[in-house]
Amino acid sequence: NAGVTQTPKFQVLKTGQSMTLQCAQDMNHEYMSWYRQDPGMGLRLIHYSVGAGITDQGEVPNGYNVSRSTTEDFPLRLLSAAPSQTSVYFCASSRTGPGEDRYTFGSGTRLTVV
Amino acid sequence: GNSVTQMEGPVTLSEEAFLTINCTYTATGYPSLFWYVQYPGEGLQLLLKATKADDKGSNKGFEATYRKETTSFHLEKGSVQVSDSAVYFCALSVTSGGYNKLIFGAGTRLAVHP
Repeated sequence: NAGVTQTPKFQVLKTGQSMTLQCAQDMNHEYMSWYRQDPGMGLRLIHYSVGAGITDQGEVPNGYNVSRSTTEDFPLRLLSAAPSQTSVYFCASSRTGPGEDRYTFGSGTRLTVV
Repeated sequence: GNSVTQMEGPVTLSEEAFLTINCTYTATGYPSLFWYVQYPGEGLQLLLKATKADDKGSNKGFEATYRKETTSFHLEKGSVQVSDSAVYFCALSVTSGGYNKLIFGAGTRLAVHP
């Protein structure tokens, strides 16, 4: 099925460990983004990309790295996990940007840092 | 700055009750306004949107009217069902650095019981 696929669905990390959250879409969308969802705070934009090779920071980029080598994939890297990064992470994509009717979200990755 | 404020939840209703979830915003210019819904274990889905003042967005029995004079976009439904139980997010789109971004409210959890 076409859509946004996020892996893993759940992850527990120890403080200081690194990991990569994967996001892939098969809709040929140019725009991809990462959000974190925390209780009482809604979704906050971490990083976004408007096409392969182009990325930029959102509201809360510290502690996260991204790259966009292909149109399909937009991985999010945590280089040294901290408890403050415990959250649910969502990837989203669309043809040109957020606010489109077809702005599609993945089902999320729940990350716990202990 | 740009922000969205939603009524705190949870909102608990009986089936067939009338629903209102309040949303107010602060923004420069004339943003588009959105309601997204998140069902348990899933990503966000666009529920409805309005792109200019006095527009009414509607979908699946839900409605919201873009009120510029009160900077509001309240979500309403005349008769809720158990299947409407979810978290509802109000959002606005802004243009920054030449690209659109979505600003989300904190979300309101709705629980409908039979």
